[in-house]
Amino acid sequence: SAVISQKPSRDICQRGTSLTIQCQVDSQVTMMFWYRQQPGQSLTLIATANQGSEATYESGFVIDKFPISRPNLTFSTLTVSNMSPEDSSIYLCSVQGGIFQSTQYFGPGTRLTVL
Amino acid sequence: GQQLNQSPQSMFIQEGEDVSMNCTSSSIFNTWLWYKQDPGEGPVLLIALYKAGELTSNGRLTAQFGITRKDSFLNISASIPSDVGIYFCAGLDNFNKFYFGSGTKLNVKP
Repeated sequence: SAVISQKPSRDICQRGTSLTIQCQVDSQVTMMFWYRQQPGQSLTLIATANQGSEATYESGFVIDKFPISRPNLTFSTLTVSNMSPEDSSIYLCSVQGGIFQSTQYFGPGTRLTVL
Repeated sequence: GQQLNQSPQSMFIQEGEDVSMNCTSSSIFNTWLWYKQDPGEGPVLLIALYKAGELTSNGRLTAQFGITRKDSFLNISASIPSDVGIYFCAGLDNFNKFYFGSGTKLNVKP
């Protein structure tokens, strides 16, 4: 399995500001994902972070609001832009790996509160 | 699109009891995964299932990949207080897309 770290682990931000979340993996991976998990809810995929090309966004999520970088095979960032209280969530990065590349491993998450 | 239904939504059980939860999908999956999420943490993989009919154990946990490839269950035997958390199922389809269940919140009374 992959070991994944995220920074920051939590933050409290003011409305209208932006926060960049970092995700570091201990091995090279092809597929990295960013999820949002609102309180008491399941995981919602924001986008797939592709190395060397633009991220692929899911319906309801746009690049202007959630720009993503993937400069290499072990690192990605997600920025939550122009934040509002509705953006308060846990943001999780994950990687695809394991046997047959059919498993996902998750980071510890970033708990974001927007005031 | 793909629908993944997980039940029950929540459970309140006594320490020592066995627990069962399941997921069903509207179409077939190639892999079924079960995760546990503790408060303030990311989901941790418990069991991965790769073929129909597969039955896999991890300590007190047992999971099965349904023969129709559209369902899976997770059993926890002799529950203990540290089993408390939210359990998620997930499936991987033919298009290499993952789907997650809505979660089962487990509460264990000592």
